[in-house]
Amino acid sequence: GAGVSQSPSNKVTEKGKDVELRCDPISGHTALYWYRQRLGQGLEFLIYFQGNSAPDKSGLPSDRFSAERTGESVSTLTIQRTQQEDSAVYLCASSSPYLSTDTQYFGPGTRLTVL
Amino acid sequence: AQTVTQSQPEMSVQEAETVTLSCTYDTSESNYYLFWYKQPPSRQMILVIRQEAYKQQNATENRFSVNFQKAAKSFSLKISDSQLGDTAMYFCAFWLNTPLVFGKGTRLSVIA
Repeated sequence: GAGVSQSPSNKVTEKGKDVELRCDPISGHTALYWYRQRLGQGLEFLIYFQGNSAPDKSGLPSDRFSAERTGESVSTLTIQRTQQEDSAVYLCASSSPYLSTDTQYFGPGTRLTVL
Repeated sequence: AQTVTQSQPEMSVQEAETVTLSCTYDTSESNYYLFWYKQPPSRQMILVIRQEAYKQQNATENRFSVNFQKAAKSFSLKISDSQLGDTAMYFCAFWLNTPLVFGKGTRLSVIA
């Protein structure tokens, strides 16, 4: 079946503009995660959705960051008033806790460049 | 909070040789999962291998195997018969009912 997909693949924006990043999880996966990866660094957790439960937003770095998810499907990560420090690859992952494993499967990421 | 440490920022290995990547972690929990992910230049994170902490047997996946030392909180990855396609960043990760906690990664270069 199809894996996790993300769009756009690359996004260049000007400082101060808003951006929206999209993630399509694997069909049937109830959990969805957003991570940020700065150049040469590991992954930082941003936000986690599990089914219809309230999302875990504990990783969001500021109130300029928000995310939504419609049911158990698509998620959108929005960054308002972008700053140069927001430049990074944003990775989405999904998993299915109802199986014996919670292995997360990742999308190809969106590379965001803020000029 | 759990932490994951990868002490080798960069490593290289000759093609067909064996290389071991180190990972240590800190947790007070007893049941958890550990993962190794590979990230080639395409930036796609690919699961390499996973280990359940309650299993004593070390996980293996073809040329990839782990040395899981629970008491020492160590989880190293051994790559046998290294291939050029193994060139990538390798991330060790910890999971227990939370988002994955990642190490900073080890950049592995396989040399022909």
